Amino acid sequence: DTGVSQDPRHKITKRGQNVTFRCDPISEHNRLYWYRQTLGQGPEFLTYFQNEAQLEKSRLLSDRFSAERPKGSFSTLEIQRTEQGDSAMYLCASSPPRQGNTGELFFGEGSRLTVL
Amino acid sequence: AQKVTQAQTEISVVEKEDVTLDCVYETRDTTYYLFWYKQPPSGELVFLIRRNSFDEQNEISGRYSWNFQKSTSSFNFTITASQVVDSAVYFCALRGYTNTPLVFGKGTRLSVIA
Repeated sequence: DTGVSQDPRHKITKRGQNVTFRCDPISEHNRLYWYRQTLGQGPEFLTYFQNEAQLEKSRLLSDRFSAERPKGSFSTLEIQRTEQGDSAMYLCASSPPRQGNTGELFFGEGSRLTVL
Repeated sequence: AQKVTQAQTEISVVEKEDVTLDCVYETRDTTYYLFWYKQPPSGELVFLIRRNSFDEQNEISGRYSWNFQKSTSSFNFTITASQVVDSAVYFCALRGYTNTPLVFGKGTRLSVIA
């Protein structure tokens, strides 16, 4: 399968623990996006990368959140000291260079976080 | 600021009925892009269509059609002869010209009953 891959698909953790999600974009897609989706809501933008550069961060991304894309391929999203309000589906998407500004995003199946 | 409003939270129809999902958007950009995505129970968002703000021609793709009206800032989506497999959450989304992130509406959950 050559789509966007996310791991783990589901993570259950206790409040205060750290969690990390990984996203592998479609090969040769230079743009990678992280979104968060809570129940009954649409996806909300968190951050995006063009190659290894993090170009934009949402105000939703508190200092407990950090995202990296060290070699311009896969990306990780880490949440430190998780809170119950962090429970959500974390979606990763990618797009190729030509479609970066106008085209669609290709989404993965998401990583669902449950904070107890 | 970009904003997308999908006033219909949930819609239920009987199979073979036509259904229209409404989308109203707000943007200050003169050039922008509108999208519809489908999110089936599996959770993966699936791209359906993209429209540019300078192209108001409506589009039909099989049982799907889209009505873009700049005068009312609307980009509505109609499914003709709905099928059970159409059951999903549908999101309308907007992207400005200046490389702003894709902004989604809250979605409309469509249930097609056999």
